Amino acid sequence: NAGVMQNPRHLVRRRGQEARLRCSPMKGHSHVYWYRQLPEEGLKFMVYLQKENIIDESGMPKERFSAEFPKEGPSILRIQQVVRGDSAAYFCASSPSGGGSPLHFGNGTRLTVT
Amino acid sequence: SQQGEEDPQALSIQEGENATMNCSYKTSINNLQWYRQNSGRGLVHLILIRSNEREKHSGRLRVTLDTSKKSSSLLITASRAADTASYFCATVGSGNTGKLIFGQGTTLQVKP
Repeated sequence: NAGVMQNPRHLVRRRGQEARLRCSPMKGHSHVYWYRQLPEEGLKFMVYLQKENIIDESGMPKERFSAEFPKEGPSILRIQQVVRGDSAAYFCASSPSGGGSPLHFGNGTRLTVT
Repeated sequence: SQQGEEDPQALSIQEGENATMNCSYKTSINNLQWYRQNSGRGLVHLILIRSNEREKHSGRLRVTLDTSKKSSSLLITASRAADTASYFCATVGSGNTGKLIFGQGTTLQVKP
């Protein structure tokens, strides 16, 4: 049973470009969470999605960031017009149910904006 | 706002010693969880303790929870070099959507 798969592992974008980060949850998991981690810091919650629904986006910046989890296919975190401050590791996690059940994490996508 | 805050930020011990990390949080919770992160990797769930539990064990791990002080501790006994990692507590606030809020973490180095 494959774990949470994130791709790409490393992504380099120039300022102003778009970044698309993909996350395939564990089989049977319908709850997906995205977190951002800066070096030497903890994880900052961004968004919580179920299939085709955004449950909680209270951690998402109001502009340039969006997330989706379609009925078919992976969850996508999209960052438009990237800036240097977007450079970070972005982690996706999944669980079979919500309500604070333990999360299974992918190994992250490290975004570098030049 | 961030819930969990770990203490100390960094801890260095010799193999075989015990390591204790503390976590404080601000609001009422449904449960508290501890995770480990090895360098460059995702987090791995270690243990979950519910708000009505006071202590829980899993192998060499012992977690306590004091809801009156809004704090938890993680004890790793007989540490090994392989325990070198960052450790994070995460809380699920009561009444929220079920998202986990993570603290800043404790970086543990176990010297062989």
